[in-house]
Amino acid sequence: SQQGEEDPQALSIQEGENATMNCSYKTSINNLQWYRQNSGRGLVHLILIRSNEREKHSGRLRVTLDTSKKSSSLLITASRAADTASYFCVCAGNMLTFGGGTRLMVKP
Amino acid sequence: DGGITQSPKYLFRKEGQNVTLSCEQNLNHDAMYWYRQDPGQGLRLIYYSQIVNDFQKGDIAEGYSVSREKKESFPLTVTSAQKNPTAFYLCASQRQIATNEKLFFGSGTQLSVL
Repeated sequence: SQQGEEDPQALSIQEGENATMNCSYKTSINNLQWYRQNSGRGLVHLILIRSNEREKHSGRLRVTLDTSKKSSSLLITASRAADTASYFCVCAGNMLTFGGGTRLMVKP
Repeated sequence: DGGITQSPKYLFRKEGQNVTLSCEQNLNHDAMYWYRQDPGQGLRLIYYSQIVNDFQKGDIAEGYSVSREKKESFPLTVTSAQKNPTAFYLCASQRQIATNEKLFFGSGTQLSVL
């Protein structure tokens, strides 16, 4: 399975701190996408990183991809209470497959 | 506004009853998906459709059925054969079925059993 596995499963930090979430996968991928889900809501696409890219930025988000280690990380800098959500990595092989997510809580 | 709309937001099913969840999109997307999400878990694929009048089973299709008679609409029926239907159901669309295309999600339907 190409399903990504996020680590940690849950993360609690103070507002202003950085949050780092990791994703590992098993087989080769075309790209990797990160999504965010607020409680009881649909998912929102955050960023896509292609297999030939190593790092990508979008606002306070920084995503890295290490294809040799089959892993990716999502860094949220200067976190805010509004960043509280679940974050999913989605591995793109033949289909898009979701991991179990990291539940991030940012305390004000 | 372009988007994807799911209804109802909450749905209750009696034992032995079939219920249908609605999903409509006005994004002119070819591909549409149905996912099931259990509490604290990730998303599991139920069915997907690449184009009108075509759909394929996902990982957990048993007890569910779909139709794709119009490009805009991809309703999901939870049949009485689905013995554990309580979950959060998410519909998504994609411009075309390609892994480098992002998914657009509806706001979900919470289905509970009475």
